[in-house]
Order: sequence, then structure tokens, then C-alpha cells
Amino acid sequence: KAGVTQTPRYLIKTRGQQVTLSCSPISGHRSVSWYQQTPGQGLQFLFEYFSETQRNKGNFPGRFSGRQFSNSRSEMNVSTLELGDSALYLCASSLESVNYGYTFGSGTRLTVV
Amino acid sequence: GDSVTQMEGPVTLSEEAFLTINCMYTATGYPSLFWYVQYPGEGLQLLLKATKADDKGSNKGFEATYRKETTSFHLEKGSVQVSDSAVYFCALTSNQAGTALIFGKGTTLSVSS
Repeated sequence: KAGVTQTPRYLIKTRGQQVTLSCSPISGHRSVSWYQQTPGQGLQFLFEYFSETQRNKGNFPGRFSGRQFSNSRSEMNVSTLELGDSALYLCASSLESVNYGYTFGSGTRLTVV
Repeated sequence: GDSVTQMEGPVTLSEEAFLTINCMYTATGYPSLFWYVQYPGEGLQLLLKATKADDKGSNKGFEATYRKETTSFHLEKGSVQVSDSAVYFCALTSNQAGTALIFGKGTTLSVSS
């Protein structure tokens, strides 16, 4: 079966711009979570959506937002980009919750210049 | 707050050597514990998990036992292969973390033939 698909794979943006990243979960998975991965901070939880509702949120500023559609596809948006937002953004999906085990996508590599 | 501490890497081994990657956790209550693996250029893959004390998770020759008395979840493999070269992440979820995973910093394993 198809895995978790993230688009685009790579992005280069300028400070102050905004960006939208997309994630298509495995068919039947209703939980979608987003993580930021950087060499300094490692993997940090951004937020989780379940049945179109944000169920959990990490400690990131309000510039980071997301949403989930009725087909479980999810998008995350980062506004007013800063250099420190450069990272690998990973999407993960699960049947119901993290305790079932996540399936991760390959990520979107965002570079802010 | 809840946290995961992994041994510093990189770990460099010869093929067929024994592998141990240490993982210690701090959490209130009874967390679920996971090991994820990340191959170069890819997202994370669930390697194994354990949801209660004394449970042993196993997969592809890797094993880890949930030790509540020592708050540990060390990853072991009896005979590593070159194809096991990757970054390994220990993680937990707990009542405090809710539906989020809390990850360790990751341990890079390099296996040479």
C-alpha cells in the first residue's frame, strides 16, 4: 500500500515569506502529526490532527499552523519565515494514535535564506 | 517534564559485532516506549515498541526490554550488518505528552564490512 507522501521534497524560501507543506497519510489513517527535525534540537512535536480537529499542540509559536481535511490529508503553514525555521519537516500518520506506531513520510527539507 | 536520554554517538562497529544502544527515560506514570530508525534521506521507521513494564519488543533481530526499575529501554542486536547503518531514536509517549512522541537525540550507527 502507498506510504505517507509529503510534498514538496525540497523548498527554498526567503525570510519573511510564508510556506505551505502537504501530507497525504496512509489510506485509513485518521491521525496525522507533524514534527520538526534540526541538528541542534532534534525531533520536536509540532501538532497532531485527528478527524479534522487539532488534538495536541507542541511548544511552537503561532506562526506555525496546520489543518486536516475530510480525506485526512493535512497541511502545515509557516508564516513570516525566519532563518531558524530551516529544518526537515516530517509528517507521520497512524490509525488512531501514536500508540499504534507512526508511519513517517520522507519529509520536506525547508531552507530559509 | 518527560524526557529521553540516549547514549552519544557515533557508534562504529564491524559486521557481526554485538550492538547495544542505551536509552534512559524520565516520565510520570507508565509511558509507552519505542525505537525508530532513520536511514539516510528517509523518514523514520518504527523498529519496535513496548507498552508495559517487562515487555520485550523485537523486530529484524533487534530487541529492547522495558525496564521500569531502571527506567531503561536499551536496544540490542546480536550480529549487526552493514545494512543496519542508520540513526536510531528512542522515544516515549506518556500521559503528560498526550498524543505526542518525545524523542531522544538519536544515535548514529556505522557498520563496516
